[in-house]
Amino acid sequence: AQTVTQSQPEMSVQEAETVTLSCTYDTSESDYYLFWYKQPPSRQMILVIRQEAYKQQNATENRFSVNFQKAAKSFSLKISDSQLGDAAMYFCAYRRANTGNQFYFGTGTSLTVIP
Amino acid sequence: GAVVSQHPSRVICKSGTSVKIECRSLDFQATTMFWYRQFPKQSLMLMATSNEGSKATYEQGVEKDKFLINHASLTLSTLTVTSAHPEDSSFYICSAYTPSGNTIYFGEGSWLTVV
Repeated sequence: AQTVTQSQPEMSVQEAETVTLSCTYDTSESDYYLFWYKQPPSRQMILVIRQEAYKQQNATENRFSVNFQKAAKSFSLKISDSQLGDAAMYFCAYRRANTGNQFYFGTGTSLTVIP
Repeated sequence: GAVVSQHPSRVICKSGTSVKIECRSLDFQATTMFWYRQFPKQSLMLMATSNEGSKATYEQGVEKDKFLINHASLTLSTLTVTSAHPEDSSFYICSAYTPSGNTIYFGEGSWLTVV
């Protein structure tokens, strides 16, 4: 079974600084998708960024970028120029490409942004 | 991004009664919808996968007779908690899969309180 591990239950970052959230996953598949979702206090889950496993280039969305290391099964999220609105729970997620639509979520990392 | 609407956002019901939560995809057709339960400060626990026109697939440990899921159309899935008990009080989130985007979008979530 696929598992997604987020080893940092809590992280904090100074406003305007950079922070990296870790995620590792376990799979025997070669083709899959990885995602980072953000859940602010409102509890609405928001897609932050996604990565296709077959792409070597790391995905980037404005201040958010990933470091995808396929061999190491690592998928970290880097938030640059952190803003107060970035404070939230961040969930890493995995989805197989070929069968089923089920997503597997990590346990989450709570990010605090310090003014 | 795609919009998924969940209703009601908060509901209080008496123990022993049933309550229905709706999940709608507003601007796309969702062949697959997912229902999650989230306990405080924890990750999302997948309860069931709902495919339009067929029976839902429940995760191990989820009582299918208690959590009735219906996916009657490509834009609507419902979760009915039957004979609710206080231990069913939780935050329930639905999500819908978009084949075109290969990702899922979440509803706003529903707080259920059983008194």
